[in-house]
Parts: sequence; C-alpha cells; structure tokens
Amino acid sequence: AQSVAQPEDQVNVAEGNPLTVKCTYSVSGNPYLFWYVQYPNRGLQFLLKYITGDNLVKGSYGFEAEFNKSQTSFHLKKPSALVSDSALYFCAVRDIGSSSASKIIFGSGTRLSIRP
Amino acid sequence: NAGVMQNPRHLVRRRGQEARLRCSPMKGHSHVYWYRQLPEEGLKFMVYLQKENIIDESGMPKERFSAEFPKEGPSILRIQQVVRGDSAAYFCASSSQGALVADTQYFGPGTRLTVL
Repeated sequence: AQSVAQPEDQVNVAEGNPLTVKCTYSVSGNPYLFWYVQYPNRGLQFLLKYITGDNLVKGSYGFEAEFNKSQTSFHLKKPSALVSDSALYFCAVRDIGSSSASKIIFGSGTRLSIRP
Repeated sequence: NAGVMQNPRHLVRRRGQEARLRCSPMKGHSHVYWYRQLPEEGLKFMVYLQKENIIDESGMPKERFSAEFPKEGPSILRIQQVVRGDSAAYFCASSSQGALVADTQYFGPGTRLTVL
C-alpha cells in the first residue's frame, strides 16, 4: 500500500538558518513526489515535484527537495529560512502506473515555525 | 488566469440537511479531484472526475456522498443528510492531463463545512 510519513509534527527554526522538513514514502511502483504548503485558512499551494531525472528538485520561494531512492526519502530544504515560510507543509506521492494513480496520498503535515 | 474556484468558502448546515459544494477548475483543465481534510490532518482523496464521468471514487463514502462534473458548469460534491462527522474542509483540485501522466494538481481555497 502507498503511504507517506512526515515524522515531525513541528519544526522550529530561527530566521536565516537552514531548514529541513522530512518525508519518507512507500509505493509499489515509481514514485511521483510532491510538496505543498498550506497557509492558515487557505488551500494548498504547489511547491515542487519530482518525476524523474536530477535528484535535486528546485521549486517556488527558494525551496528545494532531494529525492533519495535508497532511503525512500524526499526531504524539503531551504538554505535560509524566512518568517514568512511559517506554514503547514505536506509531502505527497502518486504511484503512477498503479490502479490508484489518480489519487495523491498526503502525509499528515509538518508545521514549520520560523522565529525572528 | 484564474485559479481553481470553490464556493461557498464557508457552509453551515444542521444535521439532516444537504450540503452542495461547487468547484470550477482552472481554465483549460478537464480533470477534477475532491479531497477532505479533517482538523490537524492531511488531505484524503475522495473522488476523481472528468467531464461527465466518474473515474475513481474509491475514497468516497458509500452512502450520502455523490459527485458530478457535468458537461457545462462546475463540479458538485453533494452530501445528503449531513452528520457532525462530515464537518471538515473540502478541497477541490484540477489538472490538465489527468491521472496517468505526471500531472500537477492545483488546489482551490476549500469549503469549510460545519454541521451543527
């Protein structure tokens, strides 16, 4: 069965420091991986995705994520955090080629808090 | 280019009433997905539709819930005889190419349903 795990409910980082939000996945076929961000009372905004190719994916707002097949991980990173990055972050996976390819499976979310 | 539109943004219903949630996909998108988010949880897939067809409804409760995406007009998620447990945020997403392609789903702002 497909699944996504975000092991940290909350990540606290000082402004200007690097940040990492962790994500691991489990799929039967090829994983297509996504990161979305959700601000309070808003919908999800797409940040970036990994389909194939370079393991380091660059996305919106200076975020990037590294696909690691051996560790089945897709951690979200940013070199220098901003207070405005404070939000809820969701990792997600689609198992393209499976019978459930239409659905995105979301992790439980990680709340990122950046202190000034 | 307008994003995914959902209305109403907030909906209050009493137990036993019907709730109708509307979603207009992004311009040029013919694939619509509905997700439900309970408080402090990730999004859970409900249904995937193309124009006039339900493609995958594996996440939809068997009773009281239905969805449609007519040839003209928005997609509708309908919940009959609502119960308190239906209180959640319901998000619609749309994409241009569908489930079998490495396609990004873009999300609307959501409808927050409260059942009294």
